[in-house]
Amino acid sequence: KQEVTQIPAALSVPEGENLVLNCSFTDSAIYNLQWFRQDPGKGLTSLLLIQSSQREQTSGRLNASLDKSSGRSTLYIAASQPGDSATYLCAVKGGGFKTIFGAGTRLFVKA
Amino acid sequence: NAGVTQTPKFQVLKTGQSMTLQCAQDMNHNSMYWYRQDPGMGLRLIYYSASEGTTDKGEVPNGYNVSRLNKREFSLRLESAAPSQTSVYFCASSDQGANTGELFFGEGSRLTVL
Repeated sequence: KQEVTQIPAALSVPEGENLVLNCSFTDSAIYNLQWFRQDPGKGLTSLLLIQSSQREQTSGRLNASLDKSSGRSTLYIAASQPGDSATYLCAVKGGGFKTIFGAGTRLFVKA
Repeated sequence: NAGVTQTPKFQVLKTGQSMTLQCAQDMNHNSMYWYRQDPGMGLRLIYYSASEGTTDKGEVPNGYNVSRLNKREFSLRLESAAPSQTSVYFCASSDQGANTGELFFGEGSRLTVL
């Protein structure tokens, strides 16, 4: 059974710092991995999708990497801003239609 | 471009009452999903519809029913609400079938069962 773990559970950094969020999964037979952002009381916004054949994806200040063999993905946020404060979730899609979500990392960027 | 739209956004029910959560997507996606999100439990799949005309159980289907009305719409029904069903419900949709699709979520429906 696939398990997805995100570390740390919470993170507080000063504005301008570069940071890395971690996601690990137990079953390397995945089809894609997706990173989401969730603001309080809101839905999930898709940030990046990495297909199983890809090693990384980039969007603006965000870069996500995928290493299936080690069961790890990282989300790198460059030059963090207070507006980046949110919960970040990773989700792993395996066989079929079921996607397993991590519990998320709550990020607070201090001005 | 509305994406995934859920109604209602908030609802309070008494134990035993029934209600239906509505979801519609305008991205021409084949697959649609209902999740619930609870503190400490993360997001869990209730039901999904791989394509129009099909529905299947997810991880936590007990107490719920679904209907894929057409390609755009996927509803979730609580026949006899229980306090354990107090949660935030999210509808999602994806493209390209089972193995490659990016998930898109609605804003959520916050349900309280008293």
